[in-house]
Amino acid sequence: TQLLEQSPQFLSIQEGENLTVYCNSSSVFSSLQWYRQEPGEGPVLLVTVVTGGEVKKLKRLTFQFGDARKDSSLHITAAQPGDTGLYLCAGAGNYGQNFVFGPGTRLSVLP
Amino acid sequence: GAGVSQSPSNKVTEKGKDVELRCDPISGHTALYWYRQSLGQGLEFLIYFQGNSAPDKSGLPSDRFSAERTGGSVSTLTIQRTQQEDSAVYLCASSLRRYSAGTSGGAFPSTDTQYFGPGTRLTVL
Repeated sequence: TQLLEQSPQFLSIQEGENLTVYCNSSSVFSSLQWYRQEPGEGPVLLVTVVTGGEVKKLKRLTFQFGDARKDSSLHITAAQPGDTGLYLCAGAGNYGQNFVFGPGTRLSVLP
Repeated sequence: GAGVSQSPSNKVTEKGKDVELRCDPISGHTALYWYRQSLGQGLEFLIYFQGNSAPDKSGLPSDRFSAERTGGSVSTLTIQRTQQEDSAVYLCASSLRRYSAGTSGGAFPSTDTQYFGPGTRLTVL
């Protein structure tokens, strides 16, 4: 069974600070996705990474896929209150398995 | 918009009753997924449909849970004899589900984007 762990579980920071959240597994994934979920809504896809070592930037968000494709990080620069939400990572296996989701990091950015 | 819709948005039921949750995927999406999310937790995979068939039912927690999809579109998740531990948000997602050839010759999902509905919050009293 492929499992994903995320850390930290909770994070509360002030507006303007930088932060990094992590997604780790002992399994190798063919691709990994990051989602953000706001209260009362479904998750919304932020990015998909597929190549070991890949780095993708989305405005103030930087996503990195580990060289061994077992882990990933999400770095947010100059966090804003609009970044508040539950950040979920999801990994896809190599043999047609569906995505496995991590438990999420709940981020709160205070104005 | 033409996103994924789910109904009802909220459902309160008594222990032992049956419930049906509905999902309307994005038109043209062949893949449909059901997930369960307990308060403050990540998503627990329940079942996946490709067209009307369900190649992966591995996440259904017990035989009280079943799902069907008709016409390659609408899906219904049914929970029989509900229990308090069934209380959660049930999320549905759909995707185009394009496959890519793997290096070993097998097929695996490409960078499939799942579009989620807003969920149904089920409370079992």
